[in-house]
Amino acid sequence: EVQLVESGGGLVQPGGSLRLSCAASGFTFSSYWMSWVRQAPGKGLEWVANIKQDGSEKYYVDSVKGRFTISRDNAKNSLYLQMNSLRAEDTAVYYCARDLPIFGASVGFDYWGQGTLVTVSS
Amino acid sequence: DIQLTQSPSFLSASVGDRVTITCRASQGISSYLAWYQQKPGKAPKLLIYAASTLQSGVPSRFSGSGSGTEFTLTISSLQPEDFATYYCQQLNSYPRGVTFGPGTKVDIK
Repeated sequence: EVQLVESGGGLVQPGGSLRLSCAASGFTFSSYWMSWVRQAPGKGLEWVANIKQDGSEKYYVDSVKGRFTISRDNAKNSLYLQMNSLRAEDTAVYYCARDLPIFGASVGFDYWGQGTLVTVSS
Repeated sequence: DIQLTQSPSFLSASVGDRVTITCRASQGISSYLAWYQQKPGKAPKLLIYAASTLQSGVPSRFSGSGSGTEFTLTISSLQPEDFATYYCQQLNSYPRGVTFGPGTKVDIK
């Protein structure tokens, strides 16, 4: 059974840092692109970042470029999101999600974690 | 950047109704569109990918159509468990970017 379990969320002051983790199991983690998606309270979904199978390619939404870093450890079946210089507008539930690749292109995110809440407030 | 709009943003319907949600892209995205269902406090669930392909395990009352800039999600006969918020997602720019629509909340009439 595919499982994605996020951890590391919590309350942090503006300007602070937090590192989120996503533990993957039930599939060959090193074979998939992975993404982080966030959802502010009462709002819609926003893709944050993604990372290639071997970590050689990483992409970010403009609003987090230079502040967030996505990484992975395939030996530990884990995905990470290092979040620095946090702002109130980063407050959200953060989900990790697995790509569904069809003929080499991603067509959606087929598995999601349960999410971890990050609250940025003084 | 490619923007997505959804209509309506809110829909009130009864069990057994046929429901259609529209997603429009600001530029052509071929068939790189997915649909998700999200219930309160839960992670999104993939329903449809490649505009019209039903994800494994999703009931056949869900269907998707469209290409280019206009797409629809149809629920042929609304069931009690279908009351949720639905999001479209474009992956035409993947891996360099992914966009979600603003969502359509389907509520009980």
